[in-house]
Amino acid sequence: GAGVSQSPRYKVAKRGQDVALRCDPISGHVSLFWYQQALGQGPEFLTYFQNEAQLDKSGLPSDRFFAERPEGSVSTLKIQRTQQEDSAVYLCASSLGGQEYNEQFFGPGTRLTVL
Amino acid sequence: SQKIEQNSEALNIQEGKTATLTCNYTNYSPAYLQWYRQDPGRGPVFLLLIRENEKEKRKERLKVTFDTTLKQSLFHITASQPADSATYLCALGTGGFKTIFGAGTRLFVKA
Repeated sequence: GAGVSQSPRYKVAKRGQDVALRCDPISGHVSLFWYQQALGQGPEFLTYFQNEAQLDKSGLPSDRFFAERPEGSVSTLKIQRTQQEDSAVYLCASSLGGQEYNEQFFGPGTRLTVL
Repeated sequence: SQKIEQNSEALNIQEGKTATLTCNYTNYSPAYLQWYRQDPGRGPVFLLLIRENEKEKRKERLKVTFDTTLKQSLFHITASQPADSATYLCALGTGGFKTIFGAGTRLFVKA
């Protein structure tokens, strides 16, 4: 079956613009994660959803970052008033159950460049 | 402060040899540890998970050890192949849903 998909794959924004990044998890997966990955670094946790509930948003770097998963499937990460330090790859991952031990399946990421 | 350290320098080995990658952590008490593989331009791919009460886990040519006293995990690839060339990430599960990743180690396997 299809894996996790993300769109767009690449996004260029001017500083101050708002962007929306989409994640389509594997069908039926309960858990959904967002990560930010800077060049040469590992993914850094942003937020976690179990179905439509956002259970952990401790990694969101500022109130300019907002994530939602209103129907418990597709998720959107929104960044308002983008800044150059927001440039990174944004990864989405999903896992089958709500248990922390579950294997995470990652999408290919969205590369965001803020000019 | 809390840290996860992986070899920042790339590891170069000859095909057929065993590659050993290290993951050290400080000021964490992980419930489990995972290893992922990441190729350029792609998302990480899960390889193995080992829990705090397990010492060793194997899967085909892969072996992971977990020493909670030393606060270290070792990841071994036996009979390495050029196709094993990638970045390998270790990740700690700390008891919530937050997974903490290391920066990764690049592995190059030469034919």
